[in-house]
Amino acid sequence: GAVVSQHPSWVICKSGTSVKIECRSLDFQATTMFWYRQFPKQSLMLMATSNEGSKATYEQGVEKDKFLINHASLTLSTLTVTSAHPEDSSFYICSAEFGLAGYNEQFFGPGTRLTVL
Amino acid sequence: DAKTTQPPSMDCAEGRAANLPCNHSTISGNEYVYWYRQIHSQGPQYIIHGLKNNETNEMASLIITEDRKSSTLILPHATLRDTAVYYCIVRFSGGGADGLTFGKGTHLIIQP
Repeated sequence: GAVVSQHPSWVICKSGTSVKIECRSLDFQATTMFWYRQFPKQSLMLMATSNEGSKATYEQGVEKDKFLINHASLTLSTLTVTSAHPEDSSFYICSAEFGLAGYNEQFFGPGTRLTVL
Repeated sequence: DAKTTQPPSMDCAEGRAANLPCNHSTISGNEYVYWYRQIHSQGPQYIIHGLKNNETNEMASLIITEDRKSSTLILPHATLRDTAVYYCIVRFSGGGADGLTFGKGTHLIIQP
């Protein structure tokens, strides 16, 4: 199957700083990538859809000025958590769309654990 | 996308078949049933999907009822590494550009 990587796998930062998380499709090109957030003991929640060369589409309740998404190439999307606060501590997961035999499939990265002190 | 209902947790003995049910009574004719699983602190992993016919791959089998209102994921010989949260998701396929809506899933615990 297609491989999606994320970097870093975990990060600890101080409150008020910004953190950038990278999502890469390693062996395929992805015009669309997705960003999810998962709090402890909860399910994944879609945050935004990242489209190569255009602005991201954010889900209701997700602050676009706080969670900056850049999809500058067909293999890389970045999520920047600006002015992070402890309540932003979460598990951030990306996925990338890949076309397979007439249908599209999403492949997920391993996730990035963000802890804001 | 249609909503799905799954039991919150299930136990299964190692080596036995694990049968995970999912109800999706509001599924529409062109929506597929997808199954993913998430092992603790990892990203979700695709398992299998189907429209109306039963499907089988190297990981699992998917049995969809004739009226398509429910389905069962079968792990034929469960191992300890199959302990995970299993998500049943109904979505259009081929349309792309849609994020997935995850419910609470079923926490499957494989007992030694």
